[in-house]
Amino acid sequence: TQLLEQSPQFLSIQEGENLTVYCNSSSVFSSLQWYRQEPGEGPVLLVTVVTGGEVKKLKRLTFQFGDARKDSSLHITAAQPGDTGLYLCAGRTYKYIFGTGTRLKVLA
Amino acid sequence: GAVVSQHPSWVICKSGTSVKIECRSLDFQATTMFWYRQFPKQSLMLMATSNEGSKATYEQGVEKDKFLINHASLTLSTLTVTSAHPEDSSFYICSASASGTEAFFGQGTRLTVV
Repeated sequence: TQLLEQSPQFLSIQEGENLTVYCNSSSVFSSLQWYRQEPGEGPVLLVTVVTGGEVKKLKRLTFQFGDARKDSSLHITAAQPGDTGLYLCAGRTYKYIFGTGTRLKVLA
Repeated sequence: GAVVSQHPSWVICKSGTSVKIECRSLDFQATTMFWYRQFPKQSLMLMATSNEGSKATYEQGVEKDKFLINHASLTLSTLTVTSAHPEDSSFYICSASASGTEAFFGQGTRLTVV
């Protein structure tokens, strides 16, 4: 059973545009991770957020953890073709539950 | 980040045979390992969680007799798909976590059962 809903599921944008991906749940997580996955490979960890309201920046990516630690967002500024991939959030309780995924395609 | 190695990267086997997939944490001790299955263009579905030295906890709907998981040491977990059938063909991914930290993923194993 998926406990984490991501939106949008698919997103195709032009290079230079901004975008936000949302990860929502009714459950509270002790931490939340964001991953990026390329086809045929395992997910690569981008960031971990732990504290409610926490904001972390990784170059053009900004991650925020909701105050109640039930949701998170990923904002990409000036998207580039190299950002193309499957973005996954994962919430940790005693195990990791993955979100439904957001498939991003950035067109040159 | 920490390194998790999964082997093999891909395997083709005949229907009815068993296949073993290994997951190793190379530079840290993994108290917990997770096994996932991923269908094309979908997210990861947790199959089971294993803690070193104890039996794996399987998610609802996952057959524990078909997907045998062993976590015999702090650096190695194995998933054995027994009596594989074509519907077991999938991308299997492991992840490993030290106590209370992030999970790091292996590169995945693509299993094709013919």
